[in-house]
Amino acid sequence: DQQVKQNSPSLSVQEGRISILNCDYTNSMFDYFLWYKKYPAEGPTFLISISSIKDKNEDGRFTVFLNKSAKHLSLHIVPSQPGDSAVYFCAASVGGGSNYKLTFGKGTLLTVNP
Amino acid sequence: EADIYQTPRYLVIGTGKKITLECSQTMGHDKMYWYQQDPGMELHLIHYSYGVNSTEKGDLSSESTVSRIRTEHFPLTLESARPSHTSQYLCASSPRTANSPLHFGNGTRLTVT
Repeated sequence: DQQVKQNSPSLSVQEGRISILNCDYTNSMFDYFLWYKKYPAEGPTFLISISSIKDKNEDGRFTVFLNKSAKHLSLHIVPSQPGDSAVYFCAASVGGGSNYKLTFGKGTLLTVNP
Repeated sequence: EADIYQTPRYLVIGTGKKITLECSQTMGHDKMYWYQQDPGMELHLIHYSYGVNSTEKGDLSSESTVSRIRTEHFPLTLESARPSHTSQYLCASSPRTANSPLHFGNGTRLTVT
């Protein structure tokens, strides 16, 4: 029973356009959400996070939006660059920092075409 | 610039062998984790530790064992490898500070023949 779902296995966008990666969750106890990026043959790298008390967090070209009522979050990358091509994992946890066991989605492969 | 190191990166081994996957971090993090990932699938937590002499099983049942004798070292052992153990194993660490993200190593890709 997947608690974190990334329903799009892949996404392809043109360089300079917006990339939108989506994530849905079923556990209403989740209160902290993260996005990780993973290149082939490397470990995941932390990208951006958001607490459930917020609905938006921005860091440079990356913005995460959280819709708690819909149990949905999305990652926006603007503008997209070829170096952004990677697998993006959505992750969630209960109890934020005190209980840091992350539940991951299956990932979305983003390809940014020059 | 990895501050968390996993060895070996790739391992091909026969059924029944005992193996130890090494993980070390130089950041002084209290918390360490082992995740298992199959291609195209989510990462599953198999072991974690909140400090020296603390180890807990994760959400995914695993036949592996771990130890945490030193803060910086969190090895994972399989006493008798089987083909079903073929997977990628990712080690991670995080500080005690609330809402600190996990730092991952580059993983060990294990193939049991």
